[in-house]
Amino acid sequence: DIQMTQSPSSLSASVGDIVTITCRASQTINTFLGWYQQKPGKAPKLLIYTISTLQSGVPSRFSGSGSGTDFTLTINSLQPEDFATYYCQQSDSVPWTFGQGTKVEIK
Amino acid sequence: EVQLVESGGGLVQPGGSLRLSCAPSGFTFRNYWMAWVRQAPGKGLEWVANIKDDGSDKYYVDSVKGRFTISKDNAKNSLYLQMNSLRVEDTAVYFCARHGRRVFDQWGQGTLVTVSS
Repeated sequence: DIQMTQSPSSLSASVGDIVTITCRASQTINTFLGWYQQKPGKAPKLLIYTISTLQSGVPSRFSGSGSGTDFTLTINSLQPEDFATYYCQQSDSVPWTFGQGTKVEIK
Repeated sequence: EVQLVESGGGLVQPGGSLRLSCAPSGFTFRNYWMAWVRQAPGKGLEWVANIKDDGSDKYYVDSVKGRFTISKDNAKNSLYLQMNSLRVEDTAVYFCARHGRRVFDQWGQGTLVTVSS
């Protein structure tokens, strides 16, 4: 199984900050890496797929990058609606696995 | 607009059974792989099961193999998860999700399953 490890587990940031969340896989991931945003009591929402492709309707301040085993989600100019928990997820091989989540809180 | 609406959750005793349903709309259901993903209270996301667009292939996380069965009725436009031999650790919100472009690109609002005596 491919284990996904996110860091940090939580962070505090201010509106306007640049936020970076990293995701490390236990094995090389070729293409199928996605990022999700989840707010309390709501379903997750897809932000990015295939490492760096922005899902339709997602603001351009979100971006994804990386290769091999190391991947990054960057939020440029953090907005009030971005305070949430973020998950990475791989679909390279079964079982599909998620990172443990990174909670972005207001400083 | 794509919508996924889950139903069938509830309280069940350990060892019991429950059948979850998901009603999709706004897209051509028969063309998509579908999945169930769960989230235990206060915890992260866990993929549970996937089914191919035509229902011919199914995949499960090890912890539910032999107990859960995913199925897809393209004629009735419905996705199901039959859960047997339920355990306390199966307590979670269960989300129905569309598996498009090898990610979970659309999600339902979730249905809560509580396994407790």
